Amino acid sequence: GAGVSQSPSNKVTEKGKDVELRCDPISGHTALYWYRQRLGQGLEFLIYFQGNSAPDKSGLPSDRFSAERTGESVSTLTIQRTQQEDSAVYLCAEGASGSRTDTQYFGPGTRLTVL
Amino acid sequence: TQLLEQSPQFLSIQEGENLTVYCNSSSVFSSLQWYRQEPGEGPVLLVTVVTGGEVKKLKRLTFQFGDARKDSSLHITAAQPGDTGLYLCAGARSGGSNYKLTFGKGTLLTVNP
Repeated sequence: GAGVSQSPSNKVTEKGKDVELRCDPISGHTALYWYRQRLGQGLEFLIYFQGNSAPDKSGLPSDRFSAERTGESVSTLTIQRTQQEDSAVYLCAEGASGSRTDTQYFGPGTRLTVL
Repeated sequence: TQLLEQSPQFLSIQEGENLTVYCNSSSVFSSLQWYRQEPGEGPVLLVTVVTGGEVKKLKRLTFQFGDARKDSSLHITAAQPGDTGLYLCAGARSGGSNYKLTFGKGTLLTVNP
């Protein structure tokens, strides 16, 4: 079966431009996470969606970052007015329940480069 | 300050050798997971440990969760080139959100043929 997919796989943009990153889910998974992975760093939690509950946005680094998810379908992460420090790999992960023992299934990530 | 410290940061060994990587914290975790990430891909879950002192074996990999649930180790026996990758530990903090994992920076393992 298909795994979690993300698009684009690579994105190069100029400072100040907006970018939209997409995550396509595995059917039936209710929990969805976005992470940021900077070079040489661990994964940094950004946002969490669980079904129709209000998302946990506590990890978003600034108001330039936003994310949406409709039901249990596609999610998009939008970064407005990109800055060079936004350069990183952005990973989407899904889980069946969002519990502490849940298996998170990661997509391959989108590598964002801000020039 | 990194909540989960992984060591060593880099490890390069020859095929057939044994190795141990560590994940340490001053905080207590209700569960801890180990992932392996290969270049250009997302992390893949290897194991979840939830009980202090727990030991889990996955073929040549042995995972241990510390008695106090503050640390963990991953031991690989007779390493193979296919074990090459970034090993990440991730924990759910006790008293925190169950779904919010804290990740270490990882140990980059290279197994040379």
